Amino acid sequence: NAGVTQTPKFRVLKTGQSMTLLCAQDMNHEYMYWYRQDPGMGLRLIHYSVGEGTTAKGEVPDGYNVSRLKKQNFLLGLESAAPSQTSVYFCASSQGLAGRYEQYFGPGTRLTVT
Amino acid sequence: LAKTTQPISMDSYEGQEVNITCSHNNIATNDYITWYQQFPSQGPRFIIQGYKTKVTNEVASLFIPADRKSSTLSLPRVSLSDTAVYYCLVGTDSWGKLQFGAGTQVVVTP
Repeated sequence: NAGVTQTPKFRVLKTGQSMTLLCAQDMNHEYMYWYRQDPGMGLRLIHYSVGEGTTAKGEVPDGYNVSRLKKQNFLLGLESAAPSQTSVYFCASSQGLAGRYEQYFGPGTRLTVT
Repeated sequence: LAKTTQPISMDSYEGQEVNITCSHNNIATNDYITWYQQFPSQGPRFIIQGYKTKVTNEVASLFIPADRKSSTLSLPRVSLSDTAVYYCLVGTDSWGKLQFGAGTQVVVTP
């Protein structure tokens, strides 16, 4: 049982390049989330999904897009990377609403945009 | 959106009790309070969750006063392995309104 996995673990992009971060969970959770973590700011919710085929915006969605084509996968895309998107990105999943149910986090992806 | 505030850092010695208080003045009626622990280069890990009064599990206790405008995570008899960042999360049933605190770095020394 791997839990929540994220690929890649590290990535360096040049400004304007695009990339996709992949999150996978094997716990059959309906709910999945993408967060970014910056020093001194805790975790901020980017986008989330309440089930296959559904996505919604979180607190800081600008510059990101997501897709949930399969229940176990949640993809985060950056169409045109900016230095302000340098951060550590965490994916999480839960069996119910995140404020009420335990979230299981992946190990994170460290992204640097130069 | 409930803004959460917690101390930036706390130091402790092994065997002592550590209490971390999170302020959330704008907490909504349906919000729960959850605490997570994070080690370097890892994702956060669930510790404990509560709605009101006191909750205890095998690793921590959570105290929530009647007005619910703050909460205190209590770690009894800490060890070196408890050195980590602890996050307070105030959540609501309304989607997208999840507010993590900035985190408290706890350092435990021998």
